[in-house]
Parts: sequence; C-alpha cells; structure tokens
Amino acid sequence: DTQMTQSPSSLSASVGDRVTITCRASQSISSYLNWYQQKRGKVPNLLISAASSLQSGVPSRFSGSGSGTDFTLTINSLQPDDFATYYCQQSYNTPYTFGQGTKLEIK
Amino acid sequence: QVQLVESGGGLVKPGGSLRLSCAASGFTFSDYYMDWIRQAPGKGLEWVSYISNDGNSIYYGDSVKGRFTISRDNAKNSLYLQMNSLTAEDTAVYFCAREPRDRSLDYWGQGTLVTVSS
Repeated sequence: DTQMTQSPSSLSASVGDRVTITCRASQSISSYLNWYQQKRGKVPNLLISAASSLQSGVPSRFSGSGSGTDFTLTINSLQPDDFATYYCQQSYNTPYTFGQGTKLEIK
Repeated sequence: QVQLVESGGGLVKPGGSLRLSCAASGFTFSDYYMDWIRQAPGKGLEWVSYISNDGNSIYYGDSVKGRFTISRDNAKNSLYLQMNSLTAEDTAVYFCAREPRDRSLDYWGQGTLVTVSS
C-alpha cells in the first residue's frame, strides 16, 4: 500500500499568514494527489485535484504543487474560514490512501 | 445540483451486519465511479471501497476486504455497502462520494453513522 505522510500534523498560524502543508508518498504516485478541507463536524470538501488543479469555487489563495512523491498545499493570506483540517489523498493505486491530516489552528 | 444521501446506519452488535445505501441525484450516475470512505470518531479519513461506473471493477481497503461488499444499481441511481462481521473498529461515519475521471472525490454525502457495540 502507498503510505501518505503529512507534515506538520498541526499548525498554528495567524490571519494573513502564508502556510504550507507537505504530503509525501511512500512511492511515486505521479500527479494523482488530491487535497481536501474538513471543518469540524462537516463533510470533506475537495480543494485541489491532480496535484495542482484548483476546484471551481475554491479561492485562489489555495494552490497545490508537486509530482512523484512530494507535494505541497499552500494557502496565501490565511482567512478565518481556512482554519480546518486538511487531508491529502493518493488515487494512483488501490487502496486509495489518505494522509493523517493537518489541523490548522488560529494562533 | 449533485446530491448524495446516505442511509442505513445505526447501532449493531459485534458480528452483525448492516447495509448502507447512497441515493444519487443531479448527475448521470452511470457515468461515474463511486466510493465509500469512513471516519472513526475523532480520527482521520479512511478509504473503504470503490466501484466502477459499470460495476465491473471493484476494490476494497485491506481492513474491510472479505467482509464488505460494494454494489450499485444504475437504474435506481443507488450505491450500496453490505457490511458483515462488524467489529468495534468499524464504528465510523460512512460517506459515499463521486469519483470523476481525475480520480478525485468531488462530491460527498453528509454521511451515516455506524456504531458497533454490544
């Protein structure tokens, strides 16, 4: 199975900050990497697919990059609505696997 | 608009069975792969299974293989998950999700809670 490791597991930041979350795959997954945002008690929301494709309706302050084994999610100018947990997920091979999540909290 | 509505969750004893359903609307169901994902209380997301649009390709996560069966009825726009030999470790909110060609999970249902307890 392909293991997905996110770092950091938690992160404190302030409104207006730029933050980067990293996701590393245990083997190459090409660009089959997706990012989701989940707020407490809510359903996960797809932010970015195929490593860097921003979903319709997602603010442009979110961006994704990477290929192979190393990927990043960057949020520019954090807004209050962005404080949530973020998950990466590989869909290159089965079983699909998620990272353990990164909880983004207000400093 | 795309809607996915899960049902069938509830309280079940260890060793018991449960069948979850996911009713889809707002898109051509037969064009899409569909997935089940679960989330144990306070934990992260765990992918459970997917089924191809025609039902001919099916995969399972290691923790449910041999116990869970995914199926679909394209005529009824419905996805199912038959869960057998349930254990406490299967306690989770179960989500169905749509999988487009880029293999993301672009729409999710609101989830249904399965609790396995004596």
